[in-house]
Amino acid sequence: EIVLTQSPGTLSLSPGERATLSCRASQSVSSSYLAWYQQKPGQAPRLLIYGASSRATGIPDRFSGSGSGTDFTLTISRLEPEDFAVYYCQQYGSSRVGFGQGTKVEIK
Amino acid sequence: QVQLVQSGAEVKKPGASVKVSCKVSGYTVTEVSMHWVRQAPGKGLEWMGGFDPEDTEAIYEQKFQGRVTMTEDTSTDTAYMELSSLRSEDTAVYYCAIGRYNFDYWGQGTLVTVSA
Repeated sequence: EIVLTQSPGTLSLSPGERATLSCRASQSVSSSYLAWYQQKPGQAPRLLIYGASSRATGIPDRFSGSGSGTDFTLTISRLEPEDFAVYYCQQYGSSRVGFGQGTKVEIK
Repeated sequence: QVQLVQSGAEVKKPGASVKVSCKVSGYTVTEVSMHWVRQAPGKGLEWMGGFDPEDTEAIYEQKFQGRVTMTEDTSTDTAYMELSSLRSEDTAVYYCAIGRYNFDYWGQGTLVTVSA
């Protein structure tokens, strides 16, 4: 079973600042099978990034994903007020799906 | 336009079963890989199982084996998730979601409350 560990647990930043979120896997994950989601209170998660670095339809280009193997990163280049939310990474492997525990991006 | 519309909130007693539905529009249910994810209050996302892209049978997360059954009704393009032997720890929002290796579309969620 692959375990995903996200850091930090909470990120306190101001609008306009850059956010860097980390997702570390307990063993190597195919880049094709690493995704990132955004979730706001009371809403279902929304797919942001798939294949480690491809933006989903309609996702602004201030969101970018990178990484390979066991270390993956989601970067938000300049935080907009609507970006304050919880972010999850997710992997697929051996017919199983796993999520990280989430990183909350809050307004400083 | 792809939409997943789930059934309404449920309140169940410990030991009972719950069956949540997810109506697919924009695709047929056989064209998509349907999964179920739950989220306990204030907690993260937990994958329960789903239909593997390479297979026609459901695969369940080990912790739910023996308690969960995922089915599909092709005549109505509706997926179902039934969870039995409910306990208080099963109180959560249950989501259906579709995608091969990640989840492009999600239902609105169904709150299941387990309380005596």
